[in-house]
Amino acid sequence: NAGVTQTPKFQVLKTGQSMTLQCAQDMNHEYMSWYRQDPGMGLRLIHYSVGAGITDQGEVPNGYNVSRSTTEDFPLRLLSAAPSQTSVYFCASSFPGGLYAFFGQGTRLTVV
Amino acid sequence: AQSVAQPEDQVNVAEGNPLTVKCTYSVSGNPYLFWYVQYPNRGLQFLLKYITGDNLVKGSYGFEAEFNKSQTSFHLKKPSALVSDSALYFCAVRDTGFQKLVFGTGTRLLVSP
Repeated sequence: NAGVTQTPKFQVLKTGQSMTLQCAQDMNHEYMSWYRQDPGMGLRLIHYSVGAGITDQGEVPNGYNVSRSTTEDFPLRLLSAAPSQTSVYFCASSFPGGLYAFFGQGTRLTVV
Repeated sequence: AQSVAQPEDQVNVAEGNPLTVKCTYSVSGNPYLFWYVQYPNRGLQFLLKYITGDNLVKGSYGFEAEFNKSQTSFHLKKPSALVSDSALYFCAVRDTGFQKLVFGTGTRLLVSP
């Protein structure tokens, strides 16, 4: 099915470990972004990309890296996991000028 | 900077009654406004949008929203609530240029049988 696919769905990390959250879309969308969802805070933008090879920081970028080598993929890397990064992470994509974004199912990350 | 506020953490309504989920916004120019719904353990699903035109916008699952420029509001409404409408609802405003959405804190809707 067409859409935005995130893997894994669930992950538990120890403090200091690193990992990559995967995001792939098959709709040929140029715009992709990562959000984190925390109770009482809604969704906050971490990083975004307007096309392959172009990324920029959002509202809460510290502790995260991204790259965009292809149109389809936009992985989010946690360099050294901290308990404050326990959250639900959502990837989204859209066409330029598209009127709304498509979201993945989310990755629930727990850092202990 | 754009922002949205959802003043209610939770809204309770009985099945069959009308529902309203409130949203107010702050933007420097013309707003692009959205409502998304999140069911348990699922991603966000688009419900409806306001870009321009008619102030009453109709969306998915019988929901509608009323844009009020003077009150800077974009409240979500449904004439008759269903138990299956119980979910987390987010109001969002689109930043200028890129599809960068600024979200409210969310409102949990609980529809009782």
